[in-house]
Amino acid sequence: AQSVTQLGSHVSVSEGALVLLRCNYSSSVPPYLFWYVQYPNQGLQLLLKYTSAATLVKGINGFEAEFKKSETSFHLTKPSAHMSDAAEYFCAVSENSNSGYALNFGKGTSLLVTP
Amino acid sequence: SAVISQKPSRDICQRGTSLTIQCQVDSQVTMMFWYRQQPGQSLTLIATANQGSEATYESGFVIDKFPISRPNLTFSTLTVSNMSPEDSSIYLCSVRAGGLYEQYFGPGTRLTVT
Repeated sequence: AQSVTQLGSHVSVSEGALVLLRCNYSSSVPPYLFWYVQYPNQGLQLLLKYTSAATLVKGINGFEAEFKKSETSFHLTKPSAHMSDAAEYFCAVSENSNSGYALNFGKGTSLLVTP
Repeated sequence: SAVISQKPSRDICQRGTSLTIQCQVDSQVTMMFWYRQQPGQSLTLIATANQGSEATYESGFVIDKFPISRPNLTFSTLTVSNMSPEDSSIYLCSVRAGGLYEQYFGPGTRLTVT
């Protein structure tokens, strides 16, 4: 089964600092990887996706992620954090199973941005 | 992408009762998914619902507890039956739309069972 592991359940950064949220995947085949963001009391919004076309993926709100096969990683970064980035972030992998291409989610990382 | 709405957005229910959650999509989609997000936790897939066939349930979830309907390509319902406080969660529906298997999520239904 394909799975993802998010390192760090809570990350705190200062406004303007680099954001780095870590995600490692486990897959025997080239994975389809995603980052989602969940703001308080809202559903999930797709930030970006790995398509296998390019290892550096740019998403919305200034976020990007780099697929590194050698490290089985798909870390999410943003050069400069804004207060509005405070949210829960989920890494996910799409797995072909009896349930179709459902998503397996990591446990999530809560991002806190301090002034 | 797809725009998804859910009803109700939240509810407080008594133990032993049932709640049906509706999910409406603004376009026709083949596959719809239902997830549960327990307080402070990640998302867990409950079942996959294809139009015209029985839903496929994940391990730990059964049809008697979480019956699902999928009458057409834009609508689905999830019922949480004989509720207990352990069923207090956010229930989200999602659809696969566009390419490369990304899913789009509804806003969720926040259920509290007392």
